Amino acid sequence: AQKITQTQPGMFVQEKEAVTLDCTYDTSDPSYGLFWYKQPSSGEMIFLIYQGSYDQQNATEGRYSLNFQKARKSANLVISASQLGDSAMYFCAMRENYGGSQGNLIFGKGTKLSVKP
Amino acid sequence: KAGVTQTPRYLIKTRGQQVTLSCSPISGHRSVSWYQQTPGQGLQFLFEYFSETQRNKGNFPGRFSGRQFSNSRSEMNVSTLELGDSALYLCASSLWSGQGSYEQYFGPGTRLTVT
Repeated sequence: AQKITQTQPGMFVQEKEAVTLDCTYDTSDPSYGLFWYKQPSSGEMIFLIYQGSYDQQNATEGRYSLNFQKARKSANLVISASQLGDSAMYFCAMRENYGGSQGNLIFGKGTKLSVKP
Repeated sequence: KAGVTQTPRYLIKTRGQQVTLSCSPISGHRSVSWYQQTPGQGLQFLFEYFSETQRNKGNFPGRFSGRQFSNSRSEMNVSTLELGDSALYLCASSLWSGQGSYEQYFGPGTRLTVT
């Protein structure tokens, strides 16, 4: 079964508008971390934001915020005021702290975001 | 502080050959992880090294191997290349390994094409 599911292969957003990228996860570990990475066409993965399973508040980093709904096992990324430079692939990833993966990141298939001028 | 560097950036090999990719982590980072990225399979974990020891290994055949040196630089080797090995190989470094909220910082990747 997929541990990380990103249901939107591609999305379009108008410049300066907000956009939400969906991510659902599956784990039985009580302790885990959720990450979002951005991958521009150059290929490098850029860390955006982190949410721990025990964090009480949703994580925010500048224009990025994570809408964490633990009961629904969802960790959606919200980008406010989209910019042309936000056009890229976005990956949701999870690290299980006690599972068999022993700490490596498990990635979703990604969402390709295109920002229109 | 310099980021993660990977060499070479691009590589073309023929089937049956072997290849060695190199990764230099961020200074002070002791963990290096390798990932393979393909359009079909997405990002898949290959292995992780921490303080010169392999801590974890993904579900890849034995043709894929790696090592880490005392200065934390890491190499991965693929022997008897197959067409399906064509991929972007990403290296990531981190201070820690295993459990925790630590981030992994990725390099620009090595794009390997097998013909």
